[in-house]
Amino acid sequence: SQTIHQWPATLVQPVGSPLSLECTVEGTSNPNLYWYRQAAGRGLQLLFYSVGIGQISSEVPQNLSASRPQDRQFILSSKKLLLSDSGFYLCAWTIGGFEQFFGPGTRLTVL
Amino acid sequence: QKEVEQNSGPLSVPEGAIASLNCTYSDRGSQSFFWYRQYSGKSPELIMSIYSNGDKEDGRFTAQLNKASQYVSLLIRDSQPSDSATYLCAVNTRPSSFASYDKVIFGPGTSLSVIP
Repeated sequence: SQTIHQWPATLVQPVGSPLSLECTVEGTSNPNLYWYRQAAGRGLQLLFYSVGIGQISSEVPQNLSASRPQDRQFILSSKKLLLSDSGFYLCAWTIGGFEQFFGPGTRLTVL
Repeated sequence: QKEVEQNSGPLSVPEGAIASLNCTYSDRGSQSFFWYRQYSGKSPELIMSIYSNGDKEDGRFTAQLNKASQYVSLLIRDSQPSDSATYLCAVNTRPSSFASYDKVIFGPGTSLSVIP
């Protein structure tokens, strides 16, 4: 069966510091991968999606970037965090359709 | 801008009652519809998918789709306190007529509280 991992689970970072969040999927090949952010009390905002290694599409212009160095690995990065980057970051995958399955998430607090 | 709308709630129902959650969407071309449950502090969990007009039942859950009215609903029968969560409606959409891909957009969610 498929499993999706995210780490770290929680993170507290100062404004202006860098960020690296990692997502890995097990039990499947060539998944579509997604990064979402959910601000407190808000809906899910799609940040990036990827259909394959090195293929990244950005949905929202911001100070975040994403990379997919391996088929089942998706990384979300920032060079300098802003206060507004705080939120719950979720990685999701799908195969051949629109049913998305989410990882456990990373809760990021920027102080 | 393609949208998915839901009543934010909170919706409170007594234990054993039917909870009714509603969702409307703006893209007439949407073909795939989903309901996710999200417990506080946790990630969303897919509970229902529906692709055709009508009803789809899975245990205590029934999803209803009316494409003509651009309306999706989720009924939870015999509601239990463990059903207390935020329910997210999600719909596939094509961002624009020039886009070569579809994506899924999520509504803001409806908070459900089942009172023992």
